[in-house]
Amino acid sequence: GQSLEQPSEVTAVEGAIVQINCTYQTSGFYGLSWYQQHDGGAPTFLSYNALDGLEETGRFSSFLSRSDSYGYLLLQELQMKDSASYFCAAPPGSGGYQKVTFGTGTKLQVIP
Amino acid sequence: NAGVTQTPKFQVLKTGQSMTLQCAQDMNHNSMYWYRQDPGMGLRLIYYSASEGTTDKGEVPNGYNVSRLNKREFSLRLESAAPSQTSVYFCATSPGGATEAFFGQGTRLTVV
Repeated sequence: GQSLEQPSEVTAVEGAIVQINCTYQTSGFYGLSWYQQHDGGAPTFLSYNALDGLEETGRFSSFLSRSDSYGYLLLQELQMKDSASYFCAAPPGSGGYQKVTFGTGTKLQVIP
Repeated sequence: NAGVTQTPKFQVLKTGQSMTLQCAQDMNHNSMYWYRQDPGMGLRLIYYSASEGTTDKGEVPNGYNVSRLNKREFSLRLESAAPSQTSVYFCATSPGGATEAFFGQGTRLTVV
């Protein structure tokens, strides 16, 4: 099996930078995905890291370190609309590639 | 393009009743998934279908059945609803691997 751990809540100021961490324990590893979910809405895909390093997509970046079993989502120039829950997700490394496990999510509150 | 469409959006059932949640996608994706989301629990995989004609159990399959009717449609059936199945149900699709998934808007189910 596998587990992904995230902080439950993070608060940050509009215009600032925030980092949301995800640590994982898995018997194997393909890569780490990130999703955003606004209250009452559906998750939407943000990024996927298959390899170590930083992937940048506009204001959002995602980082992966396989040796540390750790990844993070970095949000820059925070806007009020970034207030949402953020989930990391990963498929298992051994068989059942479709059986993606999601972290319990980090609720980000952006304050003025 | 509608993407991923789920019906119904809301449903209230009495304990012991049965119902089928419908999901249809127009993205021509091979893989489809059913997740449930409880408060503070993240998303948990119920069943998935890697391709037309195949289905497999996820983390929490008990009390559910699925049918992959064709490439577009993947339905989830509750044979005898229980209050523990009160949740938000999401259907999702992906082109192949589960690293990037596209979600429907969800079905909010209450079992009383």
